Amino acid sequence: AQSVTQLDSHVSVSEGTPVLLRCNYSSSYSPSLFWYVQHPNKGLQLLLKYTSAATLVKGINGFEAEFKKSETSFHLTKPSAHMSDAAEYFCVVSEGTGRRALTFGSGTRLQVQP
Amino acid sequence: ETGVTQTPRHLVMGMTNKKSLKCEQHLGHNAMYWYKQSAKKPLELMFVYNFKEQTENNSVPSRFSPECPNSSHLFLHLHTLQPEDSALYLCASSPQLGRSRLNEQFFGPGTRLTVL
Repeated sequence: AQSVTQLDSHVSVSEGTPVLLRCNYSSSYSPSLFWYVQHPNKGLQLLLKYTSAATLVKGINGFEAEFKKSETSFHLTKPSAHMSDAAEYFCVVSEGTGRRALTFGSGTRLQVQP
Repeated sequence: ETGVTQTPRHLVMGMTNKKSLKCEQHLGHNAMYWYKQSAKKPLELMFVYNFKEQTENNSVPSRFSPECPNSSHLFLHLHTLQPEDSALYLCASSPQLGRSRLNEQFFGPGTRLTVL
């Protein structure tokens, strides 16, 4: 079975400072991992994905995430936050087996202060 | 039109009404999904279709009735809803189930449903 835990429900940073959104996963197989972003009243947009290639994955808008198997983590980072980064972020795991396909974390709301 | 579209974007209905939500994907995908997103709750998977066949019903009440006439279209028929069904309903599609590299889901903008 697969599961994902987002360790912070809310994160607040100042504009121009680094962003760290934490995610831990559990999977019986070699998983694929995703980060999605949702801006207010919008659907979810894929930020980046890991599918067993390079462990450091670069995504859109300057975000990146590192897959660490030993720590079962897939934390999302950005060197310098922008006001437009304020949104909800979801960490997602997929084992690629069975019918459920994706398991979503509970989300982390990122606030960016001017 | 590109990606995944959903209509209507907003819907207000009474508890005795019957309405339908529509989702259409223009990506050539074979799997489609309905999700419910309520305030302060995790995203809830409702239904999954793969090659037009329903593969998952996540204990959804029968007042929600999905329909997938082909791989590009997905409907959610609503009747005798309750106020607690008010939420954002999201549709998504992916290439197909069962292969992790193809599990990336593409989401529509959602339908904001309010049940009075």
